[in-house]
Amino acid sequence: DTGVSQNPRHKITKRGQNVTFRCDPISEHNRLYWYRQTLGQGPEFLTYFQNEAQLEKSRLLSDRFSAERPKGSFSTLEIQRTEQGDSAMYLCASSSWGAGAATDTQYFGPGTRLTVL
Amino acid sequence: QQQVKQSPQSLIVQKGGISIINCAYENTAFDYFPWYQQFPGKGPALLIAIRPDVSEKKEGRFTISFNKSAKQFSLHIMDSQPGDSATYFCAARGNNYGQNFVFGPGTRLSVLP
Repeated sequence: DTGVSQNPRHKITKRGQNVTFRCDPISEHNRLYWYRQTLGQGPEFLTYFQNEAQLEKSRLLSDRFSAERPKGSFSTLEIQRTEQGDSAMYLCASSSWGAGAATDTQYFGPGTRLTVL
Repeated sequence: QQQVKQSPQSLIVQKGGISIINCAYENTAFDYFPWYQQFPGKGPALLIAIRPDVSEKKEGRFTISFNKSAKQFSLHIMDSQPGDSATYFCAARGNNYGQNFVFGPGTRLSVLP
């Protein structure tokens, strides 16, 4: 088993550049979530997918952020024209939702730490 | 209304002692309350969770106490060990406005040997 994996683990970029992160969920999980976590804070919800459909987006997700899950498996999160305020840990989680899965337990990946210089 | 408050911000406990972390919420639509443990450089890992139809759940040294009328829930770690030193987050999920989790700000626990 492989839990949720995220790549890269660390990314350093210059302000104004675009970055893309990848998340591979647990294989049988149909839901995939993206969160952002800054130092000393809890994760903040950004968006989530059920299969390939993006069902909810937080107002934290500005138009510079876009997420996709084209085949209902892995997902990518792209940040365009990065700003220093985007520096954070970006966490991905997955869960199995449906009949018999009433609790939607989310399993988190190790995160991608983004530093914008 | 979607906020989850958590206290204390940090906690120092002697080995073998009891660690208690408290959370409070406002939104009565929340229907699932997990606790996550996070070590530095790692993603959060589910520790234990409870639904509001029970008042207590115990798994090993970890117990959640839930007070629905007060809209409060707490995590108790019995016989705390140095390996429990981590940041703990409470969270809540609503069932009528979205499926995302709302996390508390976290409690940094240090267990002294």
